[in-house]
Amino acid sequence: SQTIHQWPATLVQPVGSPLSLECTVEGTSNPNLYWYRQAAGRGLQLLFYSVGIGQISSEVPQNLSASRPQDRQFILSSKKLLLSDSGFYLCATGGAGNQPQHFGDGTRLSIL
Amino acid sequence: SQQGEEDPQALSIQEGENATMNCSYKTSINNLQWYRQNSGRGLVHLILIRSNEREKHSGRLRVTLDTSKKSSSLLITASRAADTASYFCATDGPGGGADGLTFGKGTHLIIQP
Repeated sequence: SQTIHQWPATLVQPVGSPLSLECTVEGTSNPNLYWYRQAAGRGLQLLFYSVGIGQISSEVPQNLSASRPQDRQFILSSKKLLLSDSGFYLCATGGAGNQPQHFGDGTRLSIL
Repeated sequence: SQQGEEDPQALSIQEGENATMNCSYKTSINNLQWYRQNSGRGLVHLILIRSNEREKHSGRLRVTLDTSKKSSSLLITASRAADTASYFCATDGPGGGADGLTFGKGTHLIIQP
């Protein structure tokens, strides 16, 4: 079965600082990968998805970027964080061909 | 874009009672899924119902889908304290889910012991 690792679990960063969140996947090869953000008490907003190494699709204009340097590694980055980047970031796999998505345990990002 | 909208936003019931949550969406779908999220954790997939299915069961869960009304319901029977969580419906896009899912805002379910 698939296992999704996200780290760190919690992160507190000052405004204007850079960001790097990492997601790695075990138990599958060539997965579709997704980054979602969840605001407090809200549903999930799709930020990026990737169907292969180096292939990134962005869903919303934003202050963030994503990269997929390896088959099972997905990185979310920012050069300068904004207050509005606060939230709960979730990495997920799966989703193609009527298959469910599998989620990691998320990173809680607070911007001060 | 497609969007699932759950109601009610919050639901509090006694242990042992049944809990029903509803979801509406806007455009055609290939499938609709329900997920559960415990506080501060990732989402866990509960059940997927395809657009050509009307009802599906999994243990204490029962999901219905009415594509003519663009709506779905999730029924949890004989609720337990451990069912306390937020529940989200999600719909796929033109890519059949490969381009991600669209989630509703969720229903926060509290089971009172």
